[in-house]
Amino acid sequence: DAGVIQSPRHEVTEMGQEVTLRCKPISGHDYLFWYRQTMMRGLELLIYFNNNVPIDDSGMPEDRFSAKMPNASFSTLKIQPSEPRDSAVYFCASSSPLEVRTDTQYFGPGTRLTVL
Amino acid sequence: QKEVEQNSGPLSVPEGAIASLNCTYSDRGSQSFFWYRQYSGKSPELIMFIYSNGDKEDGRFTAQLNKASQYVSLLIRDSQPSDSATYLCAVSPGGGGADGLTFGKGTHLIIQP
Repeated sequence: DAGVIQSPRHEVTEMGQEVTLRCKPISGHDYLFWYRQTMMRGLELLIYFNNNVPIDDSGMPEDRFSAKMPNASFSTLKIQPSEPRDSAVYFCASSSPLEVRTDTQYFGPGTRLTVL
Repeated sequence: QKEVEQNSGPLSVPEGAIASLNCTYSDRGSQSFFWYRQYSGKSPELIMFIYSNGDKEDGRFTAQLNKASQYVSLLIRDSQPSDSATYLCAVSPGGGGADGLTFGKGTHLIIQP
């Protein structure tokens, strides 16, 4: 399996621009998680989905952030408008309760976002 | 506010010695506890999980849980230079595969050859 796929791997944008981060979970996984990692705040859960339905979005920092999962193999995290404080590494992770290691969340390689 | 606290380090341990990493958590409702390893510039990777009080061993790794003290630890025996990484403690209210995780900021471990 290719693992969790994220794109782009690096994104540099200017303040005020719209940013869209993409994630393809591992095939067959029905849970998808979005996390953000910064030096100051560490790794934080933003939102997660089960069977394409958002379950908990309490970690989404502001209305500028939105996430969608239109089908089982694709999710987006959008920031509009972006601000310098949004600069971070954004990770997507997926899991499946049907797997042997049911408690494992598999992380993608991350998208490093820099907002100038 | 759910919090997970870890000493940021760096923790420096000689090769072959035991590395001891510690973590405390604030939410008494937490049910599952995890240790992730993250190499610089890479994504986190699960190395251990534990649900019940006591010890759980997997190869050179031992996780220890004390729910009364809200304390989790990870021991790495026969430390190798390849163990040098940041270790993230995480907790979950249920099973880690079906709930979001609350992470500590991590302990930076350095194994000195």
